[in-house]
Formats: sequence, structure tokens, C-alpha cells
Amino acid sequence: KNQVEQSPQSLIILEGKNCTLQCNYTVSPFSNLRWYKQDTGRGPVSLTIMTFSENTKSNGRYTATLDADTKQSSLHITASQLSDSASYICVVSEGPDSWGKLQFGAGTQVVVTP
Amino acid sequence: GAVVSQHPSWVICKSGTSVKIECRSLDFQATTMFWYRQFPKQSLMLMATSNEGSKATYEQGVEKDKFLINHASLTLSTLTVTSAHPEDSSFYICSASKAGPRETQYFGPGTRLLVL
Repeated sequence: KNQVEQSPQSLIILEGKNCTLQCNYTVSPFSNLRWYKQDTGRGPVSLTIMTFSENTKSNGRYTATLDADTKQSSLHITASQLSDSASYICVVSEGPDSWGKLQFGAGTQVVVTP
Repeated sequence: GAVVSQHPSWVICKSGTSVKIECRSLDFQATTMFWYRQFPKQSLMLMATSNEGSKATYEQGVEKDKFLINHASLTLSTLTVTSAHPEDSSFYICSASKAGPRETQYFGPGTRLLVL
């Protein structure tokens, strides 16, 4: 069973609207949680990284939250743009005693329409 | 900083041939490099972890004789898909970390392999 579950699997939003993606994980203990943006046919690009002690992290119009108690994270996209169309991947790093192996979610495919 | 490149970006080959994919860290020395495979609409799957100058560590289910990994320098790792078959068609992505597996991984742009 995947230790990182993302929802929804996909979503379509109108340009200019906001949306929130969810990530639930069972990785324990964990070192950090990251959100990546992956454009079609490209490698993932890091958006945010949070340790267990951080609750929120922003990167422009992207805001990630983390609740280490409930093992949930979210990524909020504000005022979406057409260029936000991509797959958003939640990645949890195992730790601290492990080698920090990354556990990947399956991603949420976001399509922003005009 | 922390740019990772891959070459080629895409390759088409005949079944039975071997294909080599290069992964380079352009502006930093990568102690550890990782190779992932990603099928359509699926997440990245780690294939192997390699440290400079030592043998790669393969994930369970990954054939080490089929996917040869060489990490000869701190800026270059290669993945060779030997005797490729259509089921090896996939998106191969490498990543590199500066000082060990627990450091942030920087991903390359990926290589699309199509085996006919």
C-alpha cells in the first residue's frame, strides 16, 4: 500500500480560481514533506519543503500546510494561471534514522482552463 | 544553482539494442544520484541509488543486469538499458543530492525512451 495518498486524482479549474490539493501519509518517522510540480514530459520541480515542526510554507501563489499530528498536508494554489496546469506530487522523506528514502504520491493532475 | 541535466531528452530504439542515458550535475558535486522510472499517470518509482565510485543499490524487483548504472565521477551517472524491449518504454528521471541521500534531491528533466 502506498504510504503517500493524494486527492483528488485530477481536477479542472477555471483560470483565476483557487484550489486545494490534499496529501495524507503514513510514513513514520518522517524527515520532511515536499510538494513538487511536474509539467508533462519534464522532471519534478520543488515548490515547498517542510519539516515536521513547520505548519505552513509559501512560494508565490503556492501555499503548503502540514499537520504532523494527523499526517496531512495540503497545497493551495491561489489565483490559478494556465501555466499551473501540471501534476503536483507530494513527497515524504523517511527519517531520521533511515537514509531519507523518498516516498512519492501518485500526484494530482491539475488542468487550468481559460 | 543545483541544475541537473539529462541526455538524451528522448530516444527511440529497436528491440534488443542497448540505450545509455546520461545524468549530469552541472553546478555542484553529486555524492549520490538516483534513477527513477515513471509510467504514464503513475508516480516516480525509484530504481536504484548510486554513490560515486561504488556499486549502485537496486530496489527490489529491478534487474541490475538489465539496468546498468555507473557513477564514475561526482558529476556524472549513466543508466544503460541493455537489450531493451517494448515494456522498457518509459520516462526515466535522475536526481542528484549534494551530500548524501538525506539531502534535497534535484531532479533532471527526464528522458523519454520508446522501444519499438
